[in-house]
Amino acid sequence: GQNIDQPTEMTATEGAIVQINCTYQTSGFNGLFWYQQHAGEAPTFLSYNVLDGLEEKGRFSSFLSRSKGYSYLLLKELQMKDSASYLCAVSLGGYNKLIFGAGTRLAVHP
Amino acid sequence: GAGVSQTPSNKVTEKGKYVELRCDPISGHTALYWYRQSLGQGPEFLIYFQGTGAADDSGLPNDRFFAVRPEGSVSTLKIQRTERGDSAVYLCASSGGAGETQYFGPGTRLLVL
Repeated sequence: GQNIDQPTEMTATEGAIVQINCTYQTSGFNGLFWYQQHAGEAPTFLSYNVLDGLEEKGRFSSFLSRSKGYSYLLLKELQMKDSASYLCAVSLGGYNKLIFGAGTRLAVHP
Repeated sequence: GAGVSQTPSNKVTEKGKYVELRCDPISGHTALYWYRQSLGQGPEFLIYFQGTGAADDSGLPNDRFFAVRPEGSVSTLKIQRTERGDSAVYLCASSGGAGETQYFGPGTRLLVL
């Protein structure tokens, strides 16, 4: 079976840094995606990791350890607009079949 | 188009009815995916098209669900004899090719009464 775990909810303060963890156990692995989803909207692409290590993109960074089945999304200089759900997804197969975690709801407070 | 579009944005139907949900992918994208998202959950894979053919329909819950993409662009997800448990947001995504990043549409919110 496929299992992807991430915390259900997190809270953080505007201007702070938050790390959202994701662990996975899947049959097969091509890479790991992070998507952001505001309430009632479509998921939007944030990052993609294939190799171990840290990928940095502006205020957002994503880390992957394939041997540990672990990833995290790091959000710096938090803004109120970062309040959203963050979805971790493992890519399977040659065509990126995505298996999603349940998502982490992040609330950013002033 | 500029992004993936889906129609209708909302659909309310009665148990037992038939519904069709439409997806217009990003122009030129050959890969198209359907997902279903229940409240508080992540999207769940339903079916993947490469061109006109359904390359993987392993996520379709049962034979009441069917999807087509006759010309390799627009896709329609069809649900027969709807049940209350079918209520969810149905998301469509497209990508430039197998293995490339998927871009999602806004979804169709289906409510079966």
